[in-house]
Amino acid sequence: ETGVTQSPTHLIKTRGQQVTLRCSSQSGHNTVSWYQQALGQGPQFIFQYYREEENGRGNFPPRFSGLQFPNYSSELNVNALELDDSALYLCASSSKRGGYTDTQYFGPGTRLTVL
Amino acid sequence: AQSVTQLDSHVSVSEGTPVLLRCNYSSSYSPSLFWYVQHPNKGLQLLLKYTSAATLVKGINGFEAEFKKSETSFHLTKPSAHMSDAAEYFCVVSASLGSGNTGKLIFGQGTTLQVKP
Repeated sequence: ETGVTQSPTHLIKTRGQQVTLRCSSQSGHNTVSWYQQALGQGPQFIFQYYREEENGRGNFPPRFSGLQFPNYSSELNVNALELDDSALYLCASSSKRGGYTDTQYFGPGTRLTVL
Repeated sequence: AQSVTQLDSHVSVSEGTPVLLRCNYSSSYSPSLFWYVQHPNKGLQLLLKYTSAATLVKGINGFEAEFKKSETSFHLTKPSAHMSDAAEYFCVVSASLGSGNTGKLIFGQGTTLQVKP
């Protein structure tokens, strides 16, 4: 059983640019959730993808968008980067059955720095 | 709405002494509660979870937590701290809908555990 992987590990962008972060879910899981963790804070829920559709969203603007692919991997896209977008971005994979999302297992994260 | 409050931002213990990290929760429904650990520059690792079975939950690396509904608490304990336990610990509640959940995890602000030799 493979764990959750994310790429790249680190990324440096400038304000106004666009970025794409990638996540491969754990074997057997069908759901991916994305979280933003600012320095010294707990992670904040961005959104969840299930069956290739957004299935719940936190308090983040539309310039944060995502995709889920048929193999359940996912991308997080952020447009018009702002300095406050600098953070650790975590993805978590899980199984969703009926109305329940099971335990979420996290990847190592992507550290995004916006200059 | 659900929320969690971690009562200590920083806890310092000596190696070999007990660890207590405190967490209170708020939930309209029977909650699912978790403790995750984050070592420096790493992702989050699940320590343990409570999902309405036994109130005393055993996790990895000797950690356990007790769900107390009357006190709305879910404190994390370990009998004897090890140097490798030094990390950031997050108490987490799963946002519930009553007959399901949203998949959204709500994190506390974290507790930094320092272990002194």
